[in-house]
Amino acid sequence: LAKTTQPISMDSYEGQEVNITCSHNNIATNDYITWYQQFPSQGPRFIIQGYKTKVTNEVASLFIPADRKSSTLSLPRVSLSDTAVYYCLVGGNDYKLSFGAGTTVTVRA
Amino acid sequence: GAVVSQHPSWVICKSGTSVKIECRSLDFQATTMFWYRQFPKQSLMLMATSNEGSKATYEQGVEKDKFLINHASLTLSTLTVTSAHPEDSSFYICSARDRAISYEQYFGPGTRLTVT
Repeated sequence: LAKTTQPISMDSYEGQEVNITCSHNNIATNDYITWYQQFPSQGPRFIIQGYKTKVTNEVASLFIPADRKSSTLSLPRVSLSDTAVYYCLVGGNDYKLSFGAGTTVTVRA
Repeated sequence: GAVVSQHPSWVICKSGTSVKIECRSLDFQATTMFWYRQFPKQSLMLMATSNEGSKATYEQGVEKDKFLINHASLTLSTLTVTSAHPEDSSFYICSARDRAISYEQYFGPGTRLTVT
């Protein structure tokens, strides 16, 4: 499983854009990149998944450069309810997920 | 969207007893389910991979005789913590892969186990 590295924590204010970058230098050809959000005492919630270039959905965007050795999750105009831990995961067809430490995002009023 | 449920959401048991946690995929079929454990302020740690109709595959360091996993149908997997001890107190989370969309994985809400 490819190892991922992401910042331990990030602080932001309501209405700002939050960008979390994840490094995955050993990503394999058939690996996808997936981001999850977790609130305390809840299971992780799927945010977005991508393979290359840019993916956008109703809650976030995922930017993946051509070499795929990193990815950036972009959360537009965050609110207090976006305070959570965000995990970047890399996995292939068997999709056995290995969670890293995650990034604790704190949004302040 | 795909929903995974867990039951119970929390349980308190006495040391030495066994407790069973259920994981169900409510609106899709899951050939593979995963069980994780999460201690306070730590990340999720994969315990085992459960495949329907076959034996579970355990991660290194996880005692298969202590954490019994049964995946009897495409919508149900159970984790039984046998002879529980206080150090087994943790947040147990399951996830399920939708067999129709192989890369999608959905997580349950978790079960808080406290062993006294």
